[in-house]
Amino acid sequence: EIVLTQSPATLSLSPGERATLSCRASQSVSSYLAWYQQKRGQAPRLLIYDASNRATGIPARFSGSGSGTDFTLTISSLEPEDFAVYYCQQRANWFTFGPGTKVDIK
Amino acid sequence: QVQLVESGGGVDQPGRSLRLSCAASGFTFSSYTMHWVRQAPGKGLEWVAVILYDGSNKYYADSVKGRFTISRDNSKNTLYLQMNSLRAEDTAMYYCARDLQSGYNYIAYFDYWGRGTLVTVSS
Repeated sequence: EIVLTQSPATLSLSPGERATLSCRASQSVSSYLAWYQQKRGQAPRLLIYDASNRATGIPARFSGSGSGTDFTLTISSLEPEDFAVYYCQQRANWFTFGPGTKVDIK
Repeated sequence: QVQLVESGGGVDQPGRSLRLSCAASGFTFSSYTMHWVRQAPGKGLEWVAVILYDGSNKYYADSVKGRFTISRDNSKNTLYLQMNSLRAEDTAMYYCARDLQSGYNYIAYFDYWGRGTLVTVSS
């Protein structure tokens, strides 16, 4: 099983700041990685797939990069609605999720 | 618009059974592979099962293999999850989710999710 590790566990930032979230895979997943946002009490929302492709309707402030084992989700300037938990997910070898990074308000 | 509505959750005892349903609308259900994903209270996400658009193939996470069965009725636009031999560790919110890609070559990214149905397994 491919294990995904996300860091940091919690990221405390202010609106307008840049957020950089990391996801590391225990073995290469090529570019088969997605990012999801989940707000409290809601279902997850697909943000990025295949490491760098924004899903339909996702604002341009969200961007993804990386390949192999190291991936990054960047939110260029945090909006109030961006404070949430973010999960990465791989599909290279079955389907697993990372433990999540919580982005909260500083 | 795409809608997925889960139902069938509740409280049940270990060893018992539950059947979850997911009613789909707003898209051609029979063209999409569908998944179940669960989330234990306060925990992360765990993929559970997948069924191809035509029901021809099904795959399961090791944690549920042999106990859970995924199925679909394309004439009713409905996805199911039969859960047998329930365990305390099956306690979770269960989401149905649509695969990002239609057709045979599913890619296991989840672009639409329902609101979930809560399953609690407790004696």
